Amino acid sequence: GIQVEQSPPDLILQEGANSTLRCNFSDSVNNLQWFHQNPWGQLINLFYIPSGTKQNGRLSATTVATERYSLLYISSSQTTDSGVYFCAVGSIIQGAQKLVFGQGTRLTINP
Amino acid sequence: GAVVSQHPSRVICKSGTSVKIECRSLDFQATTMFWYRQFPKQSLMLMATSNEGSKATYEQGVEKDKFLINHASLTLSTLTVTSAHPEDSSFYICSAFQTGSSYNSPLHFGNGTRLTVT
Repeated sequence: GIQVEQSPPDLILQEGANSTLRCNFSDSVNNLQWFHQNPWGQLINLFYIPSGTKQNGRLSATTVATERYSLLYISSSQTTDSGVYFCAVGSIIQGAQKLVFGQGTRLTINP
Repeated sequence: GAVVSQHPSRVICKSGTSVKIECRSLDFQATTMFWYRQFPKQSLMLMATSNEGSKATYEQGVEKDKFLINHASLTLSTLTVTSAHPEDSSFYICSAFQTGSSYNSPLHFGNGTRLTVT
């Protein structure tokens, strides 16, 4: 099946810093989503971005589908940005869409 | 829009009992729903695909007799953990696509159920 690799696994930054999280995937995809999982386990959908670039406030994401990677940018980090960021990619397997998650990047923003 | 509601959010049960978790799409219909499981400090792993009106499709290594899935309507799927044991303690999360748009649209997730088996 499709493989999803996220890097770095852990990232510790000071408040105000910028960060780039990467997601590599092994095959063509028709769905790519970035999520932020908060301390209570809730998955916050950040971007649906199978290709192209999107921005939402301090966050932006770019997916280069032909090169099989996606990047999530966080600018001017805040302590509330801490948590685990997951990339999930979807492909059609035997006629069904399946979303596979990467292992996540644990981001810690220190005050 | 596209809200997925999951209930209960937290449950503690004794070993050997069964637990039912509900997943509802509140403002859209979902022919297909997905159940994921997440152990502490790990990623989300797909357990099964729930199909309205037909049998669920289970991922390799997931016991279908232990994790019973019923998708009786276009807005409700249930996961029953039968004869739960401490190793079943985990975070279970459901998700759904809006019917008719599953191939090129985002997957919407519930808030998850934290199951603790004592």
